Amino acid sequence: EVQLVESGGGLIQPGGSLRLSCIASGFTFSDYWMHWVRQAPGKGLVWVSRINGDGQSTYYADSVRGRFTVSRDNADNTLYLQMRSLRADDTGVYFCTRGISGGYDDSWGQGTLVTVSS
Amino acid sequence: QSVLTQPPSVSGAPGQRVTISCTGSSSNIGAGYAIHWYQQLPGTAPKLLIYGNTNRPSGVPDRFSGSNSGTSASLAISGLQAEDEADYYCQSYDSSVRGSVFGGGTKLTVL
Repeated sequence: EVQLVESGGGLIQPGGSLRLSCIASGFTFSDYWMHWVRQAPGKGLVWVSRINGDGQSTYYADSVRGRFTVSRDNADNTLYLQMRSLRADDTGVYFCTRGISGGYDDSWGQGTLVTVSS
Repeated sequence: QSVLTQPPSVSGAPGQRVTISCTGSSSNIGAGYAIHWYQQLPGTAPKLLIYGNTNRPSGVPDRFSGSNSGTSASLAISGLQAEDEADYYCQSYDSSVRGSVFGGGTKLTVL
C-alpha cells in the first residue's frame, strides 16, 4: 500500500524558514516524480513544485520560485520542501503527492499545516 | 484566480444527475493535455476520481464519469448519494506553467 506521510509544519513568523518532509513507503520511490500541492484555509488546491525521480529536474510555481527548494533523498525515501522568506499567503496545508506520467497524482499524504503569522 | 474555471457550487437531490464543468485554455486542456478529477471530503486529502479524461481508478463507482471537448471538460455524477457531498477539483498540465493547474473547486451539495 502506498503511503505518504508529511511532517514539519507549524507556526512561523513572516520572513522565516521551514523545511517540510514527506516519507514515502509501499512503492519504489525513485521511479516516480513527486509533487507538493498546497491548500490555503477554505480555498482550492494549488500546485507548488515537482521533482523527477533522480532529483535532477525541478519545477516551481511562480509564487514560490526563488524562495522554495524541492529535493529528495531516494536512499531514505524522503521528499523535502525547504521554504524560505515565508509570507502570510504561504499559509495552508501542504500535501505531498505521487505523480503519474499521465499528469495526475494518484496518491496523497494527509498534509501538514503551515501557518505564517506574527 | 485559478487557471481552470469551475462553478463554485452545484446541487442535486438524491438519485439525480449533476455535472461539473471545467474550462481551460490553449495552454492546458486546449493543447490536448488530459483532465483529471479529484474528490475532497471535508477535512481529508483529495482522492483521485477520474484520470486521463475518462478513466476511473479501481474502487471508484461507475456513477462517476468524465468527458472533455476542446477547451472544456465535465464530470458527471449520476444517482447522487449523500456521501457524494464534497468538493471536486479538475486538474491538467499547463505548458506555460510547466506544472499542474487546478480548478478553483466545486462544492457539491446533496439536497
